Amino acid sequence: GEDVEQSLFLSVREGDSSVINCTYTDSSSTYLYWYKQEPGAGLQLLTYIFSNMDMKQDQRLTVLLNKKDKHLSLRIADTQTGDSAIYFCAENRNRDDKIIFGKGTRLHILP
Amino acid sequence: DSGVTQTPKHLITATGQRVTLRCSPRSGDLSVYWYQQSLDQGLQFLIQYYNGEERAKGNILERFSAQQFPDLHSELNLSSLELGDSALYFCASSLQDEQFFGPGTRLTVL
Repeated sequence: GEDVEQSLFLSVREGDSSVINCTYTDSSSTYLYWYKQEPGAGLQLLTYIFSNMDMKQDQRLTVLLNKKDKHLSLRIADTQTGDSAIYFCAENRNRDDKIIFGKGTRLHILP
Repeated sequence: DSGVTQTPKHLITATGQRVTLRCSPRSGDLSVYWYQQSLDQGLQFLIQYYNGEERAKGNILERFSAQQFPDLHSELNLSSLELGDSALYFCASSLQDEQFFGPGTRLTVL
C-alpha cells in the first residue's frame, strides 16, 4: 500500500507489555522510526532501526523489523502510566527520500 | 527539550488571513522539515529545506510557502486561510537522518 498503517488504539494494563505494530510501504526504506507524542507536546524520537537489522533493544523498548513483510513493531516492557501517549511509526522512504508517518497508535494504560 | 524552537505556540486567526510560523533548528542542523498534524489527515510532510535550498516537497498546498534563511531558521507562510487549515504545525531539524521535532504551533482558523 501507499500508507504507513497502524492500529489507532491500544489498551494495556500497567505492568504488562505493550506491542504496537506498523506496516510500512517501501521494502527499500533505510531507516524506520518510532516517535512518541505526549498530550500537548511535540514528537519525540524514541528509537529507530536501520534496515539491515532485525532487532534493536534499548532499555524497556524492543523494536522488531520484518523486511519481507514490511512489518515493524515496538514492544514496551513493564508499561507505566507515563507511557500513555500516541506512538507514530515512520519510514525514510528510499524511492523519494521522504519521511512518511503513520496516523499514530494511542496507548491507554489501565490501572 | 529537542533544541528546536517554534513560535508562536498558539495562533488564532480568521479565514482569508495570512500567517507566518517560525522555526529555529538545533544548532548545527542544516535540514528543516515542516509537517501538518490534523485530526483527519494525521501527520503529513509538507516541505524540506537543506542549507537554504528546497530539498523535497510533500503535500503542501499552493497557498502555503516556506523558506530557509542564511542563519538556517525557517518560516512557513500560510495564506488565504481556510477553516480546514486549523492544525498543529511541526518543524523538525536534522543533520543526517534523525529528525528532532519542535513543540509545534497550534493554528486555529475561525
